[in-house]
Amino acid sequence: QVQLQESGPGLVKPSETLSLTCSVSGGSISSYYWSWIRQPPGKGLEWIGHIYYSGSTIYNPSLKSRVTISVDTSKKQFSLKLSSVTAADTAVYYCARVILFIMIESHDAFDIWGQGTRVTVSS
Amino acid sequence: DIQMTQSPSSLSASVGDRVTITCRASQSISTSLNWYQQKPGKAPKLLIYAASSLQSGVPSRFSGSGSGTDFTLTISSLQPEDFATYSCQQSYSTPRTFGQGTCLEIK
Repeated sequence: QVQLQESGPGLVKPSETLSLTCSVSGGSISSYYWSWIRQPPGKGLEWIGHIYYSGSTIYNPSLKSRVTISVDTSKKQFSLKLSSVTAADTAVYYCARVILFIMIESHDAFDIWGQGTRVTVSS
Repeated sequence: DIQMTQSPSSLSASVGDRVTITCRASQSISTSLNWYQQKPGKAPKLLIYAASSLQSGVPSRFSGSGSGTDFTLTISSLQPEDFATYSCQQSYSTPRTFGQGTCLEIK
């Protein structure tokens, strides 16, 4: 059974770079998109971006200038870097697998999630 | 960006009740709509994909319907473990966007 686990600092100073890693266990990292999603305190979910196992990426335009998502298939990990953080970036950050359902139309969804890691931006 | 709006924002109900939550998209998304359940301090769990398909392992009391801009999630008979926050999410276009969530509370 595939499991995801986020890791990284829980406290980041303003203007610095937030760095998180998601480790994939119990299954292959190949042939899937992998995603980062965040949830500010008391708010809804916000999609940050996807990465395919081959390395191609899609980012949320609202964060694109500050986000980098990368993958290391040999370690079965993918990572998030968010630069120039402010208090507005304080959130629980989740990594998730994107599953593709082949039907009359293709559909995708986030079917497996990590437990989430809380990141606070504060000096 | 496609805006997803859920109603109501919160809902009180009793065990055994039938409950319906609505999600509206700001433009047509065909049937590219997913529903998630989230309990406090936990990650979201996929319930329904493609508007009406039940994810494996999800109880059959959960169902989804709709297409275009209007969608519903129905729980046919609430169980104690169903009290949680429910969110919709569109997979029609980038950026992927979520509704603000509906908090389902025990009456």
